[in-house]
Parts: sequence; structure tokens; C-alpha cells
Amino acid sequence: DSGVTQTPKHLITATGQRVTLRCSPRSGDLSVYWYQQSLDQGLQFLIQYYNGEERAKGNILERFSAQQFPDLHSELNLSSLELGDSALYFCASSPSSGSIYEQYFGPGTRLTVT
Amino acid sequence: AQKITQTQPGMFVQEKEAVTLDCTYDTSDQSYGLFWYKQPSSGEMIFLIYQGSYDEQNATEGRYSLNFQKARKSANLVISASQLGDSAMYFCAMREPPSGGSYIPTFGRGTSLIVHP
Repeated sequence: DSGVTQTPKHLITATGQRVTLRCSPRSGDLSVYWYQQSLDQGLQFLIQYYNGEERAKGNILERFSAQQFPDLHSELNLSSLELGDSALYFCASSPSSGSIYEQYFGPGTRLTVT
Repeated sequence: AQKITQTQPGMFVQEKEAVTLDCTYDTSDQSYGLFWYKQPSSGEMIFLIYQGSYDEQNATEGRYSLNFQKARKSANLVISASQLGDSAMYFCAMREPPSGGSYIPTFGRGTSLIVHP
């Protein structure tokens, strides 16, 4: 158990809908990262927050947004869902932003868009 | 160009034998970190081992060791005494100096390891 929690574990929804994925980092970790893992794209970095502020952006679509709250949990919002958004979404946390230390991954949320 | 290349989509090994999973990387920076993660069929990503670019010794963690050859830009994972529970996808990743203050890792496409009894 990495100490990172993600809810829900599975999510099935229809095209055009909006969903929110939730992540709680390890105790003491200030940095949260979101990733999308799909068969064709592999593991892609989406966005990073550090202590409530957006720190880095990767291949995140405009239909997707995220935030980190004062208690350091983070939410990833996916809207106008398309079939191609079906993927495993991971949250990871690390103690700081500017280090090369490992990230600890949550169990993931498997999103299925039908 | 891919920053992390894992050329072996699938590998098979007999239980109790050692196996090497290949990873080559591409960077022009002097300071970087290399990581290996394991993803079993249950889906979670498990951190295995880390090697810093300035570390002179190869990293080891239990049955895992990292064969770091800086000049060749390779960071192969060696699993000794394979166990059935080692069957999983294995991902190599690299973190380069910060962009805007953050080290963002790049992941390879992974290698599927199957351990036979």
C-alpha cells in the first residue's frame, strides 16, 4: 500500500458526461501528479500540483481540469467525455516538487466511457 | 524521438532464474534520475528502484538491481531469483532537470514479464 488513495476505483459513464476523480496523497506529501494510461498512448503525464498551485502541465486536454485543495487532496475533472478518454487514471504524490525522488502511485481509477 | 526506449515488449523467464529488462534513455542533461516501476495485473504502479545520474554505484533493492551504464545511456533492470509474483509489466522512467521547477518523469512503453514455474 503506497499510502495514496484514489476514488472511485471504477467508473462507467456515457459520452458527453462529466466526471470527477479524487486523490488523497501520502501524509506529508505536498505534490500531486495526474497520469493517464491507455493502451495506445502508454503512461502520459497530465498535470502536477504543488501545495495548492499548478506547477506543471503535460498532455492534458482542455476538456480536463484539476485542482488541489488546502487539505492537499486533488480532483481531476473530465468533461464532454469521449470514447477515447477511456483509460486508467493514476494519481501519484511526492514530498516536494523540485526533487528527483520517486513518486508513489495510487491504485488508479479505471474510467470506461460508453 | 522517444526519451525512454524499452525494446522488449515481452519477456519470459523460468522461476528462480535471473532476468534483465532493457531500458535506454536519451537526455543531454548531466543531472537526471532513472526509475523502474512494476505494474501487476491488478493495475497499481509499484516503485522498485532508483538510480541518480551521479551515483557511482549501481542501485540495488533486494532482488532488484539496476545495471547503469552512463556512457551507453542504459539502465537495465536485473531481477534475480525470479518468482511467480514477478509476472507483471515493468516500466522504466526518467526525470530530467526541472521545467518550471518540477521534475516530470517520462515513461517507457513497458515490458511484460512472465515467470514460468
